[in-house]
Amino acid sequence: NAGVTQTPKFRVLKTGQSMTLLCAQDMNHEYMYWYRQDPGMGLRLIHYSVGEGTTAKGEVPDGYNVSRLKKQNFLLGLESAAPSQTSVYFCASSLFSAALAGDMQFFGPGTRLTVL
Amino acid sequence: KQEVTQIPAALSVPEGENLVLNCSFTDSAIYNLQWFRQDPGKGLTSLLLIQSSQREQTSGRLNASLDKSSGRSTLYIAASQPGDSATYLCAGPHFTQLQGGSEKLVFGKGTKLTVNP
Repeated sequence: NAGVTQTPKFRVLKTGQSMTLLCAQDMNHEYMYWYRQDPGMGLRLIHYSVGEGTTAKGEVPDGYNVSRLKKQNFLLGLESAAPSQTSVYFCASSLFSAALAGDMQFFGPGTRLTVL
Repeated sequence: KQEVTQIPAALSVPEGENLVLNCSFTDSAIYNLQWFRQDPGKGLTSLLLIQSSQREQTSGRLNASLDKSSGRSTLYIAASQPGDSATYLCAGPHFTQLQGGSEKLVFGKGTKLTVNP
């Protein structure tokens, strides 16, 4: 199993450009998450999904959109990138709820995004 | 609101030493706590999960404990090795989980551990 994969690994955008980050998991997990990690701020939840076709807002959803059209994929979109969105983005998945059921989360390797 | 704090931010020890990493949380109603490891430039790897009904969990040289009454969790690493060098993070659910709120794990900012050969 590949686990959780993310593409791309690195990306540089100009302010106002758009892009989509792709997360894929092959573990048949129901829950998927997008986090961002910033120095001094730790990991913060952007959006999450509790199953195919569902999405919900996390702690810092503004400026991002997500879609879960297929169970194995969770897409994170930036419609108009801003320098404040420069960060490392991590995708994660779990079979059941990581928060409620305490299920283990499996993380992808991350995408390092720079917005100029 | 759940807040998770990890002190110290960085720790350097000689190889072979036993060590303890600390994690404190503000919501004593926490019903699980997880410990993760993050290597530089990599994602997080889940190490141990402690449910509120448990006091501790063990995996190899790692032992994690949870004391809800004091709002603390500790990660004990026995006989540390250079390969243990990484950042260790703990995470617990947000308070609103109890009220059917949003799915959210609150992460500490981590303790960066360096084990010197």
